[in-house]
Amino acid sequence: KAGVTQTPRYLIKTRGQQVTLSCSPISGHRSVSWYQQTPGQGLQFLFEYFSETQRNKGNFPGRFSGRQFSNSRSEMNVSTLELGDSALYLCASSLGTSGNTIYFGEGSWLTVV
Amino acid sequence: AQSVAQPEDQVNVAEGNPLTVKCTYSVSGNPYLFWYVQYPNRGLQFLLKYITGDNLVKGSYGFEAEFNKSQTSFHLKKPSALVSDSALYFCAVRSNNNDMRFGAGTRLTVKP
Repeated sequence: KAGVTQTPRYLIKTRGQQVTLSCSPISGHRSVSWYQQTPGQGLQFLFEYFSETQRNKGNFPGRFSGRQFSNSRSEMNVSTLELGDSALYLCASSLGTSGNTIYFGEGSWLTVV
Repeated sequence: AQSVAQPEDQVNVAEGNPLTVKCTYSVSGNPYLFWYVQYPNRGLQFLLKYITGDNLVKGSYGFEAEFNKSQTSFHLKKPSALVSDSALYFCAVRSNNNDMRFGAGTRLTVKP
């Protein structure tokens, strides 16, 4: 069974640009979560989607947005990139309920210059 | 609100010795508790979880964790550490369909 797949793995963007990251969950998983990981802030929750609906949202500015498609694949978008957005963005999927394990992808490394 | 605390940024142990990585949590409602491990430049890998039942949970790679409700703790343990266990360990908590919250992480170094 394939794991969580994130694309692209590495990317470099310029301040002010926007970026879209993609995540394909494990087959059968209907919940997708996104996290930002930085050395100083650790793992910060961005948002969670379940069956195309945003179920939870973290404390990030409106420049960060996401969506989930009917096949459970998810994308997150960051507009007007800032240097501080440089981070590892992790996607995780699960069957959906609180007790279910979430499984992480390898992440997308974003560098903003 | 739910939160997790990992009081130690760094834990150092000698190979063959037992290891403990500490975690305490705060939630309203019944907690679901998880441990993950992260190797350099990789995503997080699931180690074990507590949902209900036996307070001692066994997981991957010989790790185990004990749920202690009165102390709101979920410490990760292993009887005999390996150099290959050196990595970053995260404790996480979830309840009531809220998002999963992670601790700041503990870097474990096992020296030969």
